[in-house]
Amino acid sequence: AQSVSQHNHHVILSEAASLELGCNYSYGGTVNLFWYVQYPGQHLQLLLKYFSGDPLVKGIKGFEAEFIKSKFSFNLRKPSVQWSDTAEYFCAVYNQGGKLIFGQGTELSVKP
Amino acid sequence: DAGITQSPRHKVTETGTPVTLRCHQTENHRYMYWYRQDPGHGLRLIHYSYGVKDTDKGEVSDGYSVSRSKTEDFLLTLESATSSQTSVYFCAISERGKDNSPLHFGNGTRLTVT
Repeated sequence: AQSVSQHNHHVILSEAASLELGCNYSYGGTVNLFWYVQYPGQHLQLLLKYFSGDPLVKGIKGFEAEFIKSKFSFNLRKPSVQWSDTAEYFCAVYNQGGKLIFGQGTELSVKP
Repeated sequence: DAGITQSPRHKVTETGTPVTLRCHQTENHRYMYWYRQDPGHGLRLIHYSYGVKDTDKGEVSDGYSVSRSKTEDFLLTLESATSSQTSVYFCAISERGKDNSPLHFGNGTRLTVT
């Protein structure tokens, strides 16, 4: 069965530091990938998505992600984080059955 | 934000009692989903619906049932709640239900089973 792995469970950064959150998936075929963000006490919101084309995808709030097919990875990046980026981040991929499956999530804490 | 309303927002219930959570959407989307969110597990799919009266199981469907009698409503029922079902439950909708269609989520229902 397809799976999604997020290796960083909790990341703590200071403001202005650069961010990279790892996401690896197991499916070898065509994939559609997503990053969602969940701010404290809120629902999940779509941050960015990759379907095809340019492997470097830009999302909202200065986030971007790079799809590297050879590494089965879709890592999320931001050059300079802010305190307001404190949230939980989820990587997700559609499996062969057309269901969106999620990684375990990475909690990001940004210290002011 | 997509028009998704979950009710109740919070509920405390006792083990063995039935519980029904409601998801209501105003987007007229065909696909609706129920996920549960637990620390260390991310979100896991419980059940989903691809149309009125058309539902199917997700990866953690045991102990749950669903019904969809109208496009706008998707109900999740715990027939006999157990402590392991203490969780935050999210409803999601999708326009096309295909692999290029993002999900939009409701605000969640926090369920505590004592």
